[in-house]
Amino acid sequence: QKEVEQNSGPLSVPEGAIASLNCTYSDRGSQSFFWYRQYSGKSPELIMSIYSNGDKEDGRFTAQLNKASQYVSLLIRDSQPSDSATYLCAVISSGSARQLTFGSGTQLTVLP
Amino acid sequence: GAVVSQHPSRVICKSGTSVKIECRSLDFQATTMFWYRQFPKQSLMLMATSNEGSKATYEQGVEKDKFLINHASLTLSTLTVTSAHPEDSSFYICSARGPGADISYEQYFGPGTRLTVT
Repeated sequence: QKEVEQNSGPLSVPEGAIASLNCTYSDRGSQSFFWYRQYSGKSPELIMSIYSNGDKEDGRFTAQLNKASQYVSLLIRDSQPSDSATYLCAVISSGSARQLTFGSGTQLTVLP
Repeated sequence: GAVVSQHPSRVICKSGTSVKIECRSLDFQATTMFWYRQFPKQSLMLMATSNEGSKATYEQGVEKDKFLINHASLTLSTLTVTSAHPEDSSFYICSARGPGADISYEQYFGPGTRLTVT
């Protein structure tokens, strides 16, 4: 069973703070890693993708990948109330189907 | 770019009837589309993988005779829930593999269809 685990949350941070979301995965052969944001009642929206070890920055978002530790994280700087959502970590499996496996999600609330 | 649409966004049907949901990639050709189901406060569960021109591959526990998937073109996949029952009420979401997918395997999601069976 290929699994993706996320810190359970919910996570609350004050406006302007850094929100840190964590994810571990079990399939060592995984090559592609994604963070999706899902607002209540809506479908997931891709916000970050990362494929190699290290950091990848896009605006206020930074994804970090450590394949040796099978760990991927998402940092949100200068958090805004509009960032309040569920964040889903997703990993492409190493099998031939290349399916996305999702974590259970971390609910983030940014307090004004 | 990489826009996926779904229709309808919301549907209410009576138990025993069938419902068809359409998923379209609007600005790219999607050789692979995926169908997910999400119950309240749970994560997305993959139901099936749909490749254009071939039969869908269903995940374990998903009844292929109940959830009929047709991927007739590079921009359209349909999911038909046959003989729907109240326990089929859920949020159904499709996704399509985006441009450059041979490198990144990125998937873009449609807005979802809220199905309520009464």
